[in-house]
Amino acid sequence: DQQVKQNSPSLSVQEGRISILNCDYTNSMFDYFLWYKKYPAEGPTFLISISSIKDKNEDGRFTVFLNKSAKHLSLHIVPSQPGDSAVYFCAASAGEQFYGGATNKLIFGTGTLLAVQP
Amino acid sequence: SAVISQKPSRDICQRGTSLTIQCQVDSQVTMMFWYRQQPGQSLTLIATANQGSEATYESGFVIDKFPISRPNLTFSTLTVSNMSPEDSSIYLCSVAQGAYTEAFFGQGTRLTVV
Repeated sequence: DQQVKQNSPSLSVQEGRISILNCDYTNSMFDYFLWYKKYPAEGPTFLISISSIKDKNEDGRFTVFLNKSAKHLSLHIVPSQPGDSAVYFCAASAGEQFYGGATNKLIFGTGTLLAVQP
Repeated sequence: SAVISQKPSRDICQRGTSLTIQCQVDSQVTMMFWYRQQPGQSLTLIATANQGSEATYESGFVIDKFPISRPNLTFSTLTVSNMSPEDSSIYLCSVAQGAYTEAFFGQGTRLTVV
């Protein structure tokens, strides 16, 4: 059972335009969400996170939106740059309540390959 | 952020053998995890490495196949035992300082079993 889903395996965007990557989850116990970028032959790089008490978090060109009622989050990148081309993973954690203790076990989505065309 | 070094970065191994992957962090961390990324798949948590005690394994992963050590707050090893071609994956070490904090990843170990 895939608890975190990214339904778009790939996305192509023109340089300078907005990239929107989507993620859906099923477990209502998730309360902390993260986005990672991954280049081939490298480990994932943390981009931005959001707690379930917020509906938006912004960091430079990256903004994450959380819709708890819809169990949906999205990552907006604007403006998109060719160097943003990578696989993007969303991840979710249930924090302490679900696991009964402090933890940061992450459940990852399937990833979206973003290609930013010059 | 923590700097995480994994060794080896890649290896090609014969089936039936074992490989131990090392994860070294440049600072003391509370939590260490091991993930696996099979070809074309997402990252899947194998286990939480607990300092001074047995690791906590996720469903589908067992200690006999993936023994883990964590002797201190900066170092852990994952062994892939009695390997088969199905174990060909990228294995990643991850660290975090607590719940509701970002997790950082090593560069991964690309394992090919032939």
